[in-house]
Amino acid sequence: QVQLQESGPGLVKPSQTLSLTCTVSGGFISSGDYYWSWIRQHPGKGLEWIGFISYRGNTDFTPSLRSRVTILVDTSNNQFSLKLSSVTAADTAVYFCARTNSGWYFFDYWGQGTPVTVSS
Amino acid sequence: DIQMTQSPSSLSASVGDRVTITCRASQHISRYLNWYQQKPGKAPNLLISAASSLQSGVPSRFSGSGSGTDFTLTISSLQPEDFATYYCQQSYSAPYTFGLGTNLEIK
Repeated sequence: QVQLQESGPGLVKPSQTLSLTCTVSGGFISSGDYYWSWIRQHPGKGLEWIGFISYRGNTDFTPSLRSRVTILVDTSNNQFSLKLSSVTAADTAVYFCARTNSGWYFFDYWGQGTPVTVSS
Repeated sequence: DIQMTQSPSSLSASVGDRVTITCRASQHISRYLNWYQQKPGKAPNLLISAASSLQSGVPSRFSGSGSGTDFTLTISSLQPEDFATYYCQQSYSAPYTFGLGTNLEIK
């Protein structure tokens, strides 16, 4: 059973960079035809796909965040990470990592989510 | 971006009821439509992929149908554990967008 776990600071100051890591267990990031996504949910709102990475390092991002997002993969530690620069209060959300089917692009395994607040 | 419109946004129903939630895409997405269930404080759980493919472990009372722009999620006989928020998601093209959700409440 694949499991994902997000980790990182729960509080980030405005204009700084949000950094989160997703650790994958029960399977290897490099073992299959999957992408590894970051998705966020603003308080009381719907879901927003941020972007994904393959184990080879191929990425795609939602256009509205593309200029501020970096997603990296670390296959040796079975992790992938998210960096979101120049954050504002609008980036306050619960951030999820998720495994993404590379053919149909659905999200079949999710982390529990980690809340991030942007505030001074 | 492809816009996903779900209806209704909220729904009150009773245990044993048959419930249908609809999702409309702003453009043709073939069968690249997925359904998720989310309970408060939890991550979404994938129920159905590719419009009608039930995920392993998901009860057979859940079913999905549709293609092109119009899709439905049906719960044939509501159980107490089904009261949650349901989201559709298009996976036809990036950015992969979700509907705003349908909050299914107990009547």
